[in-house]
Amino acid sequence: AQSVTQLGSHVSVSEGALVLLRCNYSSSVPPYLFWYVQYPNQGLQLLLKYTTGATLVKGINGFEAEFKKSETSFHLTNPSAHMSDAAEYFCAVSSGTYKYIFGTGTRLKVLA
Amino acid sequence: NAGVTQTPKFRVLKTGQSMTLLCAQDMNHEYMYWYRQDPGMGLRLIHYSVGEGTTAKGEVPDGYNVSRLKKQNFLLGLESAAPSQTSVYFCASSYYGQRETQYFGPGTRLLVL
Repeated sequence: AQSVTQLGSHVSVSEGALVLLRCNYSSSVPPYLFWYVQYPNQGLQLLLKYTTGATLVKGINGFEAEFKKSETSFHLTNPSAHMSDAAEYFCAVSSGTYKYIFGTGTRLKVLA
Repeated sequence: NAGVTQTPKFRVLKTGQSMTLLCAQDMNHEYMYWYRQDPGMGLRLIHYSVGEGTTAKGEVPDGYNVSRLKKQNFLLGLESAAPSQTSVYFCASSYYGQRETQYFGPGTRLLVL
């Protein structure tokens, strides 16, 4: 069975600081991994995804994530937080089919 | 392209009332999904469809029914609403060639009193 754990339901960073949102997964097959962002009162928007190939994946708005099989992790980073990055972030895993398992989400707050 | 749209955006129901949520996509996607989002629980799959005329149960299907009569539309029905169905409902779609990537609608906020 697949599962996703996001450590920290709330994360606060100062504007310009590094953002690190943690995601660990379990999967019995090579996973597809995703990060989605949800801005207030909006739907989920795909930030980035890992399917195969390069383990460092770059997404929109300066975000990137690295797939580390040995650590079963797919942490999301951004070197410099902007006020506009304040949102809720969801990690998800798929076995390559159409079924996703979502994490419980991490709400990012950016302090001026 | 409008992408994935959902109607209504917000609805208040009384316990026992019924309603239908409509999801429409204009991307010619084969797969469509209904999720519910509850605080601290992420998104959970209610039902999904792999093509016109076919539906299947997801993780939390009880109390809901769905229909996919047209490829572009996926309806979610609540026959007898309960307060436990108060949630935000999201529809998503994906296409066969890249079915692992889902595109989400803006959501429907439902309050059952």
